[in-house]
Amino acid sequence: KAGVTQTPRYLIKTRGQQVTLSCSPISGHRSVSWYQQTPGQGLQFLFEYFSETQRNKGNFPGRFSGRQFSNSRSEMNVSTLELGDSALYLCASSLERVVGYTFGSGTRLTVV
Amino acid sequence: SQQGEEDPQALSIQEGENATMNCSYKTSINNLQWYRQNSGRGLVHLILIRSNEREKHSGRLRVTLDTSKKSSSLLITASRAADTASYFCAMTQGGSEKLVFGKGTKLTVNP
Repeated sequence: KAGVTQTPRYLIKTRGQQVTLSCSPISGHRSVSWYQQTPGQGLQFLFEYFSETQRNKGNFPGRFSGRQFSNSRSEMNVSTLELGDSALYLCASSLERVVGYTFGSGTRLTVV
Repeated sequence: SQQGEEDPQALSIQEGENATMNCSYKTSINNLQWYRQNSGRGLVHLILIRSNEREKHSGRLRVTLDTSKKSSSLLITASRAADTASYFCAMTQGGSEKLVFGKGTKLTVNP
């Protein structure tokens, strides 16, 4: 079966712009989470959605937002990009609470 | 902030040797998971151990959990060059499904 699909794979944006990243979870998975990975801070939780509702949110500024659609696909948006937003953004989906997550290959965002 | 601390940060071994990575954490957990990441790509789930379990095996992987010491270890036996990757522990706490990751151990297996 298809894995978690993230688009685009690579993105270059200019400071001040906004960006939208997309994630399609494994079919049947209703939980979708987003993580930011940087060399300095490592892997940090952004938010988690379940059945279109945000269940958890990490410690990121309001410039970072997300949503989930009825088909479980999710998007995250970052507005007013800063250089420090350059990172690998990973999406993960899960079928049930106490099982491991399946991650996508990520979107590498570079802000110049 | 990172809840998990992994040790060592980097490990270099020869093919066929065993690799052991350790993870310590600060507060109570629901479960602890180990993930592998190749060259900055997506993470691959390896194994999950629940807080009431002490040891789990999956192929060449063995994970232990000591909740009294708040620590876990991942053992990869008979390592192969293809095992070269970064390994992360991650844990969930309370009613939250968010994963809190350690900084990872970079494993290099030399042919």
